[in-house]
Amino acid sequence: AQSVTQLDSQVPVFEEAPVELRCNYSSSVSVYLFWYVQYPNQGLQLLLKYLSGSTLVKGINGFEAEFNKSQTSFHLRKPSVHISDTAEYFCAVENTGFQKLVFGTGTRLLVSP
Amino acid sequence: DTGVSQDPRHKITKRGQNVTFRCDPISEHNRLYWYRQTLGQGPEFLTYFQNEAQLEKSRLLSDRFSAERPKGSFSTLEIQRTEQGDSAMYLCASSEVAGVETQYFGPGTRLLVL
Repeated sequence: AQSVTQLDSQVPVFEEAPVELRCNYSSSVSVYLFWYVQYPNQGLQLLLKYLSGSTLVKGINGFEAEFNKSQTSFHLRKPSVHISDTAEYFCAVENTGFQKLVFGTGTRLLVSP
Repeated sequence: DTGVSQDPRHKITKRGQNVTFRCDPISEHNRLYWYRQTLGQGPEFLTYFQNEAQLEKSRLLSDRFSAERPKGSFSTLEIQRTEQGDSAMYLCASSEVAGVETQYFGPGTRLLVL
């Protein structure tokens, strides 16, 4: 069975600083990888996804992530964060051929002025 | 597209009562998913439909839970004899059927069982 680990439950950062949110997964088969963002009292919004091809994936709001198969990682990065990026970020994996997403426990990004 | 909608957004109920939630997917999305999210956790898969057929159910979905999608459009999730442990956010998502399609999530229904 696949699983997703987000080691950092909370990441505090100052506005305009760079940030990296870490995600590691385990799976015995090929996977698709996703990052979702959740603002308070809202559903999840897709930031970006990796299906195949280039390992560097660009998403919305200036976020990008890099798929590293050897390290089974899919870390999310942004070179300069804004206050409005304060939210919960979830990494998710979907095994090829299956339909359900398996989520990590989330990382709360706290951006302060 | 108006997005995935869920109703109600919030529900408070007493232990032992039955509750029903509704999800309206994005029009023409054939797949519909239900997830449950408890405080401090990521969403956990409950079940999914392709059109009206329920194709997979998680072991999290006890006998007290039932989901339907009678005409392949909206879906309902019913919890019978609610327990305090059922308190959670119930999220619905939908996607097209064509390879790996993005799941679009609704705002969720937050359930509190007293």
